[in-house]
Amino acid sequence: QSALTQPASVSGSPGQSITISCTGTSSDVGGYNSVSWYQQHPGKAPKVMIYDVRYRPSGVSNRFSGSKSGNTASLTISGLQAEDEADYYCSSYTSISTLEVVFGGGTKLTVL
Amino acid sequence: QVQLQESGPGLVEPSQTVSLTCTVSGASISSGGYYWNWIRQHPEKGLEWIGYISYSGSTYYNPSLRSRVTMSVDTSKNQFSLKLSSVTAADTALYFCAREILVSYYFDYWGQGTLVTVSS
Repeated sequence: QSALTQPASVSGSPGQSITISCTGTSSDVGGYNSVSWYQQHPGKAPKVMIYDVRYRPSGVSNRFSGSKSGNTASLTISGLQAEDEADYYCSSYTSISTLEVVFGGGTKLTVL
Repeated sequence: QVQLQESGPGLVEPSQTVSLTCTVSGASISSGGYYWNWIRQHPEKGLEWIGYISYSGSTYYNPSLRSRVTMSVDTSKNQFSLKLSSVTAADTALYFCAREILVSYYFDYWGQGTLVTVSS
């Protein structure tokens, strides 16, 4: 069981917007602005899409945006494209024990 | 361009120790400023952080794996390594190495991963 809770799957049509949620606790998501999001295509390494809740690394499309409210972080993808179909994982710094980073269980995004 | 490449045995027998190496190119481990991490992904499942090592050899491990994990760094070869002892089928996973900017808590470069299968 993953420390952070994500929906198993979401779907949307090309051009639409979708949002993936990531729920934690005050010891991780809610307590720190160190939430990041990763995109993983089959057989590939994860790629960071968002870090520190809302910042995009250079080269990541501005169709990807992040936010946080309380213990829940969200990744929004606007103007869905076929290439966005992938698994998405959230992660957060955690103050629990000496664990540094915890991940969500992943969300499969299907572009219809 | 920073690149990380994992290497390992692929197949390991239960109770043995698996050793994995990550070779870094395009960046120097000895320059500091980064943590060098290991992360694994069980089949069809999510990601699990294993731990990190700094250029100086300081380590920080996932408490659930700490008793079985040892990380080391060889700055002359620009490599860092993971040893996981007493492996079981539950350790079968895709193992990634990844770079973390110091105290940023996110991973900006990842290797492609190396599959470790624990089986007799």
